[in-house]
Amino acid sequence: DTGVSQDPRHKITKRGQNVTFRCDPISEHNRLYWYRQTLGQGPEFLTYFQNEAQLEKSRLLSDRFSAERPKGSFSTLEIQRTEQGDSAMYLCASSLGPLAAISSNTGELFFGEGSRLTVL
Amino acid sequence: QKEVEQNSGPLSVPEGAIASLNCTYSDRGSQSFFWYRQYSGKSPELIMSIYSNGDKEDGRFTAQLNKASQYVSLLIRDSQPSDSATYLCAVNTGGFKTIFGAGTRLFVKA
Repeated sequence: DTGVSQDPRHKITKRGQNVTFRCDPISEHNRLYWYRQTLGQGPEFLTYFQNEAQLEKSRLLSDRFSAERPKGSFSTLEIQRTEQGDSAMYLCASSLGPLAAISSNTGELFFGEGSRLTVL
Repeated sequence: QKEVEQNSGPLSVPEGAIASLNCTYSDRGSQSFFWYRQYSGKSPELIMSIYSNGDKEDGRFTAQLNKASQYVSLLIRDSQPSDSATYLCAVNTGGFKTIFGAGTRLFVKA
């Protein structure tokens, strides 16, 4: 399977615990995105990486959230001191784009199956 | 005002009919527009992209864009029960961020 893979698929945790999600993008894709989706809503942008550089981060993302993409390959999203409001599906997506310019195909995203977080 | 607005539905159409899904966006500078399909419990899947005014056809799907009216639509011809899903409109507003609408649920009755 050469698609975007995410791990774990499901995570149940108690409030106040830290959780980490991993995303492995399509191998040749240089762009990686994290989104969050709750029931009945569309995906909400969290952050974006081009290679290893985190170029954009949502203003809605609290300091409890941190994402990394070391070496420009896989990415991790960590949530510290989880709250019940963090319960959601965390989606990773990747795409292939030019290194510098913003191309017209920005938004042609390939999503992983998501990591569902439940905070008790 | 939400950046990307869609009617949540559900939109119910009989098998074989044309399903029409609509979307409006608020940022007049938006350049790229997309339709994603999301089956229940699954992740979104890109089905159409459109970048210039007019129509773009791909099989049974036609995307329509009117930048002056800030309006995007998706037509599904000869609707099948397998088309039953949530359809997400997405807009790139500049930079690397793509904004999604809340989606329209489509139900195709056999």
